[in-house]
Amino acid sequence: GQNIDQPTEMTATEGAIVQINCTYQTSGFNGLFWYQQHAGEAPTFLSYNVLDGLEEKGRFSSFLSRSKGYSYLLLKELQMKDSASYLCAVIDSNYQLIWGAGTKLIIKP
Amino acid sequence: DTAVSQTPKYLVTQMGNDKSIKCEQNLGHDTMYWYKQDSKKFLKIMFSYNNKELIINETVPNRFSPKSPDKAHLNLHINSLELGDSAVYFCASSQEAADPYTYNEQFFGPGTRLTVL
Repeated sequence: GQNIDQPTEMTATEGAIVQINCTYQTSGFNGLFWYQQHAGEAPTFLSYNVLDGLEEKGRFSSFLSRSKGYSYLLLKELQMKDSASYLCAVIDSNYQLIWGAGTKLIIKP
Repeated sequence: DTAVSQTPKYLVTQMGNDKSIKCEQNLGHDTMYWYKQDSKKFLKIMFSYNNKELIINETVPNRFSPKSPDKAHLNLHINSLELGDSAVYFCASSQEAADPYTYNEQFFGPGTRLTVL
């Protein structure tokens, strides 16, 4: 079956760095997305990885290792507004998007 | 300008009723989706649709049916509502990728919180 694993919840301190991991077992791989979802709101796009390595975008970076079925989202200089759920999603061999359950990130002052 | 809009934002109804949720996108995208997000926050794809193909998640009961009057709209009809249908329903859209090696992100509507009593 298809499976995407993320930690359910993480806590970090304002100004610090946090890494949210995602491991996947899917029927094929055609790319991986990270989305941010604030409580009561719609998911919004953060990043897309299809090749191995690190993609940097401001305070956020996303890493992919296809051989390990692994990705992480790195958030630097954490701000209170970064408190949200972070969803990992993988495109499988049928070009279907398979979603993880998300990681709820709590930022403390 | 709202890119992907849904109405209503909140919907409270009785078991057994039939209801519809509307979705419109003004991004010129050619693919639209319906998702269900339950209390455990899992996002489950229900349908994806473009002018060529309707892809149905086979786990979706046939009480749910998408209706697309045109490329910019994909409405969701639900018959004989059940308690388990209570969830947040998200509409989304994306542009079809130009080649197999790219994939365009999905833009989500604000969601419709459906409560079945």
